Amino acid sequence: DTEVTQTPKHLVMGMTNKKSLKCEQHMGHRAMYWYKQKAKKPPELMFVYSYEKLSINESVPSRFSPECPNSSLLNLHLHALQPEDSALYLCASSLGGPSGSGETQYFGPGTRLLVL
Amino acid sequence: KQEVTQIPAALSVPEGENLVLNCSFTDSAIYNLQWFRQDPGKGLTSLLLIQSSQREQTSGRLNASLDKSSGRSTLYIAASQPGDSATYLCAVSGAGNMLTFGGGTRLMVKP
Repeated sequence: DTEVTQTPKHLVMGMTNKKSLKCEQHMGHRAMYWYKQKAKKPPELMFVYSYEKLSINESVPSRFSPECPNSSLLNLHLHALQPEDSALYLCASSLGGPSGSGETQYFGPGTRLLVL
Repeated sequence: KQEVTQIPAALSVPEGENLVLNCSFTDSAIYNLQWFRQDPGKGLTSLLLIQSSQREQTSGRLNASLDKSSGRSTLYIAASQPGDSATYLCAVSGAGNMLTFGGGTRLMVKP
């Protein structure tokens, strides 16, 4: 099973709402990632988790709050978002070996978020 | 800071043509380079991964080459088909497995 799943597929939320995005993999991977992709732009890294610990935060605003409850699950909690946060949010995972570099990342289908 | 550029930004070809997509990067200290395919509104599908010590990888009609010293990679697609229409992204992997993506090439293969 080389699948990364993401729910929901689509999400519409107001600026005062609180919502969460969910990502799951059962490949035994220990590194998981959140990317943000605006329309017609490449994905941009937001967060990296390694062995359930946050290892990289690419200066993401605090209205985005990641959480890794266990090695298979990665959440992204959203609060007080702005319309410019509307984008495709992609989750990925990789093996998470000792060096953590040079590994294939497997991407999920993404959650398309619209903030009104 | 690593910068990745893809040329051309868009490409339209008739079915059956062989084509080459280009990717260049500014910092040669990479661990690997990946080529992805993305259909509209969808996630990324990994096509080929070339480790920094390798020169090329092949999968079916796809062949990717890597010249790390010059900071270049090409993706060759043989006998293109309408089903190949998608955006193709290259990404280089740096320390911590951080991927830096190029802007992508939007490919349209006309029947």
